[in-house]
This record gives sequence, C-alpha cells and structure tokens, in this order.
Amino acid sequence: DTEVTQTPKHLVMGMTNKKSLKCEQHMGHRAMYWYKQKAKKPPELMFVYSYEKLSINESVPSRFSPECPNSSLLNLHLHALQPEDSALYLCASSQPRRETEAFFGQGTRLTVV
Amino acid sequence: ELKVEQNPLFLSMQEGKNYTIYCNYSTTSDRLYWYRQDPGKSLESLFVLLSNGAVKQEGRLMASLDTKARLSTLHITAAVHDLSATYFCAKYSGGGADGLTFGKGTHLIIQP
Repeated sequence: DTEVTQTPKHLVMGMTNKKSLKCEQHMGHRAMYWYKQKAKKPPELMFVYSYEKLSINESVPSRFSPECPNSSLLNLHLHALQPEDSALYLCASSQPRRETEAFFGQGTRLTVV
Repeated sequence: ELKVEQNPLFLSMQEGKNYTIYCNYSTTSDRLYWYRQDPGKSLESLFVLLSNGAVKQEGRLMASLDTKARLSTLHITAAVHDLSATYFCAKYSGGGADGLTFGKGTHLIIQP
C-alpha cells in the first residue's frame, strides 16, 4: 500500500468558518508534510512533522494549525482564512531519513469565499 | 538556500518531435525527483534519480542526473498528446525530513 489518502477532496468555506483537512497513510512513514499549491505555481512547503513532532514551520500564518495525533494521521485545522488561501493543499509522507522518496496524496481543493 | 530552476517554463511541441527539459539546482546533494501533474490533480512520481550518472527511462520519457554539473534533464522522445502535463523537478535542501523544493515547472503542450 503506497497510498496517502486526503479528505475531503473539495472544500468551500467562508472566512469565519473552522474546518479541518485530513491526511492518512499506512506505509509506516514517520515524516509527514503539508504543501500549498496555488494555480500555475509549484507546491510550497508549509509544515513538516517528524516522529509526530513539528520540525519545520515555514512561517505559515497562525490561521493554519497542523496536528499529528499519531504516526498515520496528519490534520490541518483552518480558521478565519482569507480568499487568497484558496489553493490545492497536498499532504505527503516519507521515511524521516535523508532524501527519501515522498508519496503525495490526491490533494484537497480549498476555496475560501 | 536551495534554488531549483527549470527551463523552459512553457513548451508547445508537435507530436512525434523530441525535446528536453532542463533542471539546474544549487546544492551538492545527490538525489533528484521528477513529478508529473495533470490539471487539477496531484503530483505523480515519475523518476527518482539517486546518484551521479543515473539514467532512468519509462516509455517515451528518459531522465538523467549529472551532480557535478548540478543538472538533470528530462528527455521526451517522439512526443504524444498524452504526455501533455506540467513537469516538476524537486530536491531536498538538507538532511533529514526537510521537505522538497520544487522548480517552477514546465507546462508542456503536445499538439497533434
């Protein structure tokens, strides 16, 4: 099983809403990642969790709050987002060793209205 | 800071032609990754190039890595319409789980 599963696939939320994105993998990977991808741009790293601990936060605004409850699950909690936060949010996982291959989920297409 | 630069950023070509996408990077680390992305979809892993001189082929795509020149190429042979997509190269900037840095992507359109 080399699958990373993201839910929901699509999400429309208002600027005052609170919502969460979910990512799950059962490959035994101990590093998990959130990337944000705007239209016609490359993915940009947001957060890295290594052994369930936050190891990298790429200066992401606090309206994005990551959580890694266990080694298989990664959440991204969203609150008071802006329309410019509309993007494709990609989750990935890998072994937490140097330069190991990352496997990407199918993404959540987020629209903030 | 790691820089990953791709060129061209946009490529329109005819079916049956050959072309090469270039990926330059600024670190001395070994591995390099190529991904394909269709519109509205996620990233599909194409190639993992592990070390200097690595060459991998899958169908009409062939990727190579020259770590001394800090250059990877993705060569398309006898292009077909189904290869139309955006192609990204990517690298890790350091040790451990530090996330990938992507090139800007090459938007490839193959016309009949």
